Amino acid sequence: NAGVMQNPRHLVRRRGQEARLRCSPMKGHSHVYWYRQLPEEGLKFMVYLQKENIIDESGMPKERFSAEFPKEGPSILRIQQVVRGDSAAYFCASSPAGGLPNEKLFFGSGTQLSVL
Amino acid sequence: AQTVTQSQPEMSVQEAETVTLSCTYDTSESDYYLFWYKQPPSRQMILVIRQEAYKQQNATENRFSVNFQKAAKSFSLKISDSQLGDAAMYFCAYEQGGSEKLVFGKGTKLTVNP
Repeated sequence: NAGVMQNPRHLVRRRGQEARLRCSPMKGHSHVYWYRQLPEEGLKFMVYLQKENIIDESGMPKERFSAEFPKEGPSILRIQQVVRGDSAAYFCASSPAGGLPNEKLFFGSGTQLSVL
Repeated sequence: AQTVTQSQPEMSVQEAETVTLSCTYDTSESDYYLFWYKQPPSRQMILVIRQEAYKQQNATENRFSVNFQKAAKSFSLKISDSQLGDAAMYFCAYEQGGSEKLVFGKGTKLTVNP
């Protein structure tokens, strides 16, 4: 049973370009979470999605950022018109169901986004 | 808003010795969970141990144990018989019951010296 798969592992973009980060949850998991880790910081919650629904996006910047988790395929975190401040590691986590305790929460290895 | 504070940016320990990593948190809630995660250079976040706030007994997982002081809002991690593979960033995290969101501290970098 493969773990949470994130790709690409590293992504380089120039300012103004778009970044698309992909996350395939573990098999059987229907809940996906995105976190961002800035240098020298802990992870910060961005968004929680279930299939075709955004449940909590309270951590998402109001502009340029969007996330989706379609019925088929991976979850996508999309950043439009990237700026240098978007450079960070973006982590995806998945769980089989909400309501925790989150001992069943599994993280991917993250995508390191570098904006030149 | 809940906050998690890790006051030790870096710690070091000799192999086979014991080390304690500190964590304090701030919340007015009574229903919550606390976690320690390990992040090795591979960047993978690995759950080390978890504690339910309603449980008085400190959680233990093999060489890892916590000292949960609810009144003081303190949640330290003790690593016994430290091994070279324990070297990593360690993050303390808080979750309010039912919130589906983890709040992380800034982390402590643990070095294990042979």
